[in-house]
Amino acid sequence: DAKTTQPPSMDCAEGRAANLPCNHSTISGNEYVYWYRQIHSQGPQYIIHGLKNNETNEMASLIITEDRKSSTLILPHATLRDTAVYYCIVRVSSRGNTGKLIFGQGTTLQVKP
Amino acid sequence: SAVISQKPSRDICQRGTSLTIQCQVDSQVTMMFWYRQQPGQSLTLIATANQGSEATYESGFVIDKFPISRPNLTFSTLTVSNMSPEDSSIYLCSVEDPVGAEKLFFGSGTQLSVL
Repeated sequence: DAKTTQPPSMDCAEGRAANLPCNHSTISGNEYVYWYRQIHSQGPQYIIHGLKNNETNEMASLIITEDRKSSTLILPHATLRDTAVYYCIVRVSSRGNTGKLIFGQGTTLQVKP
Repeated sequence: SAVISQKPSRDICQRGTSLTIQCQVDSQVTMMFWYRQQPGQSLTLIATANQGSEATYESGFVIDKFPISRPNLTFSTLTVSNMSPEDSSIYLCSVEDPVGAEKLFFGSGTQLSVL
């Protein structure tokens, strides 16, 4: 699985959009970009994933560049409850192989009032 | 979605003893996964547990130290054997989405401290 690079920490004002970048310059054509987050003292929570098209769900939007070498997770209106460590992971998506996620150090997002 | 219950939520144990962590899922799932999160670190996969077969361990983890049971499609246990302070970590159980979406659900973890 390709390696990802994320900034170690970011701040965001409450109510504003949080844009979390991720670099994955060695991503392969069949690898997806996944985002999970871990709120303090909880297990990680799935947010979103995509292959090459931009994706949106009730939690966030995922913007993947045309060359797929980087992506941005967007939380449109950050709240204090979005304070967490956000992990960007790239991997081949297939049943039975989903569990083998390689977590990096992630980005600690601090949402401030 | 899948709801995962882990027990105990936390424990303090003595060096040399063993602790068994239970993971119960509200849906039948083919594969269950055990992760470890050492203090201040990210998550590392310990092993994959399939019902009816031996668990598959990742590099650096062995069955004698982390025996796993998977008696049915909704339950698994992880034992941390002959504990030392270096085993102090959060241990997390996770499962694939039972309805087919390619994502994982995680339990809230077991916070283990070894004295």
